[in-house]
Amino acid sequence: GEDVEQSLFLSVREGDSSVINCTYTDSSSTYLYWYKQEPGAGLQLLTYIFSNMDMKQDQRLTVLLNKKDKHLSLRIADTQTGDSAIYFCAERNNQAGTALIFGKGTTLSVSS
Amino acid sequence: GAVVSQHPSRVICKSGTSVKIECRSLDFQATTMFWYRQFPKKSLMLMATSNEGSKATYEQGVEKDKFLINHASLTLSTLTVTSAHPEDSSFYICSARASGGRSYNEQFFGPGTRLTVL
Repeated sequence: GEDVEQSLFLSVREGDSSVINCTYTDSSSTYLYWYKQEPGAGLQLLTYIFSNMDMKQDQRLTVLLNKKDKHLSLRIADTQTGDSAIYFCAERNNQAGTALIFGKGTTLSVSS
Repeated sequence: GAVVSQHPSRVICKSGTSVKIECRSLDFQATTMFWYRQFPKKSLMLMATSNEGSKATYEQGVEKDKFLINHASLTLSTLTVTSAHPEDSSFYICSARASGGRSYNEQFFGPGTRLTVL
């Protein structure tokens, strides 16, 4: 079945880069997403990548996709305390109306 | 950008009562809405897929008679937790998928509803 795995915790210092990793199993996944969830809040879409892309950059965020290894990563440059949150990796295939399959989320803790 | 609202944001109820949660797409039409449940420190679990004008599709293990879903219009889906029990306490999040256009790839999430059953 489909499965998305993430490490549960990451702790970094302010100003450092953070790299959050994700692996997935569904080879038919066509879209892969990164969401951010702050305490008590809903999900905020950070970025997504189509499966025929290797990399996508958006300001401080860089997404790398290794489709062969089914590995996705999110790099946050110059991490700030406001980046402290839970980051969810999610996948979906290309079928219309398909829901997202989420990982358990990585809690990013940024210390000053 | 596309906005999805949920109401209420927080609800506390007594065991045995029913609670209705609304999910609205404010500036776009959504033929499909999804209801997720999030347990503490756990990922989101898809409960059901709601299509406008038709019956919802429930995931395995989700009781359709307990979690009633109605998608009456292209901008509104409701989740009713019937005869709520303390184990139903959770964070319920809806998402809406635009009918087409630029936002085809995206699901827009509501802010969530925190349900506490005493």
